[in-house]
Amino acid sequence: ETGVTQTPRHLVMGMTNKKSLKCEQHLGHNAMYWYKQSAKKPLELMFVYSLEERVENNSVPSRFSPECPNSSHLFLHLHTLQPEDSALYLCASSQGGYTGELFFGEGSRLTVL
Amino acid sequence: TQLLEQSPQFLSIQEGENLTVYCNSSSVFSSLQWYRQEPGEGPVLLVTVVTGGEVKKLKRLTFQFGDARKDSSLHITAAQPGDTGLYLCAGASRVQGAQKLVFGQGTRLTINP
Repeated sequence: ETGVTQTPRHLVMGMTNKKSLKCEQHLGHNAMYWYKQSAKKPLELMFVYSLEERVENNSVPSRFSPECPNSSHLFLHLHTLQPEDSALYLCASSQGGYTGELFFGEGSRLTVL
Repeated sequence: TQLLEQSPQFLSIQEGENLTVYCNSSSVFSSLQWYRQEPGEGPVLLVTVVTGGEVKKLKRLTFQFGDARKDSSLHITAAQPGDTGLYLCAGASRVQGAQKLVFGQGTRLTINP
């Protein structure tokens, strides 16, 4: 596989469920990101990892818990979500440095009932 | 808080017409990137502009970065139906070996045959 792969592509969960989103990049990049894309808002940065260290947490509620076990994998653990958390969650990676391109996955479409 | 205002948010024109999309901010960015997003996919980079006053051309697309590195524009000449999509501008700033991208709301462009 090449590029950035996200699973699952679609997820429906209740407010009391616990689920996880997975992202894997095959590009040899050392920075990974979670973004949230809602219908009427700009893409919102949630978390940034550089060399497996979290370097940005953009005031995200604790019901979203990221995990970066190595430079190729990134998870977003979800628990006790609210219906307003329904959105497209996009993972991205970059080479690192300050002018590089972000490579996005196709996203995980989350619906919270 | 860094914000990017993108305009127009929606644009529907006929094939062959020209158009310009604007991206404005009160903040200075180290670079500005333009992405295009198709339904069901993640954003894909079109261009990165780094230097104030820079102009880059990509076939019928012309990108400009403002002299003060706060704003940018995308001009499309002789638009084609294949140009239809969501166009996103993003301002980049540095965060410990990675990039923090702030996105505009996007311009949903429809080119009618």
